[in-house]
Amino acid sequence: GQNIDQPTEMTATEGAIVQINCTYQTSGFNGLFWYQQHAGEAPTFLSYNVLDGLEEKGRFSSFLSRSKGYSYLLLKELQMKDSASYLCAVEENAGKSTFGDGTTLTVKP
Amino acid sequence: GAGVSQSPRYKVAKRGQDVALRCDPISGHVSLFWYQQALGQGPEFLTYFQNEAQLDKSGLPSDRFFAERPEGSVSTLKIQRTQQEDSAVYLCASSLARTVYGYTFGSGTRLTVV
Repeated sequence: GQNIDQPTEMTATEGAIVQINCTYQTSGFNGLFWYQQHAGEAPTFLSYNVLDGLEEKGRFSSFLSRSKGYSYLLLKELQMKDSASYLCAVEENAGKSTFGDGTTLTVKP
Repeated sequence: GAGVSQSPRYKVAKRGQDVALRCDPISGHVSLFWYQQALGQGPEFLTYFQNEAQLDKSGLPSDRFFAERPEGSVSTLKIQRTQQEDSAVYLCASSLARTVYGYTFGSGTRLTVV
């Protein structure tokens, strides 16, 4: 079956760097997404990886290794507003994405 | 509108009641998705439309759930004879045909069945 694993919770300090890992086993793979979701709000798109390697986008970077079924999201220069849930999602085919349960990140001053 | 609009924002239904949840996607987005999100969990896929065609409904949990998008824009998710286990946030998302920019989600409808 489909399985996406990510840590449940992480804590980091303002200004620091944090890496959120995601491993996946899915029946298909069209690409991997990371979304940010603040409590009570809709998920918002952060990044997309379809090829192996690192994609950098400002303070956020995302890495993919398809052979290892592994991705991570790297957040630099953490700010208090980065406290949120981070969802890893695999697009298995056109039209269906499977989401992990999210990693709740708490940024402390 | 600029984003995906969902209504109502909150819905309380008595067990056994039918409900209809509406989604108005971003203009020009051909793909539309419905997801169910329970508290503390990630969104679970329900169904997918490309224009008016429902291409995948494998995630609908039972035949009490029905979705339509008759003109390829607004979509409605209908739940008949609601049960307590249907209580969740129902998220609608839309995207361009190629999803490299991810989905744009609406704010969701929080359904509580009492």
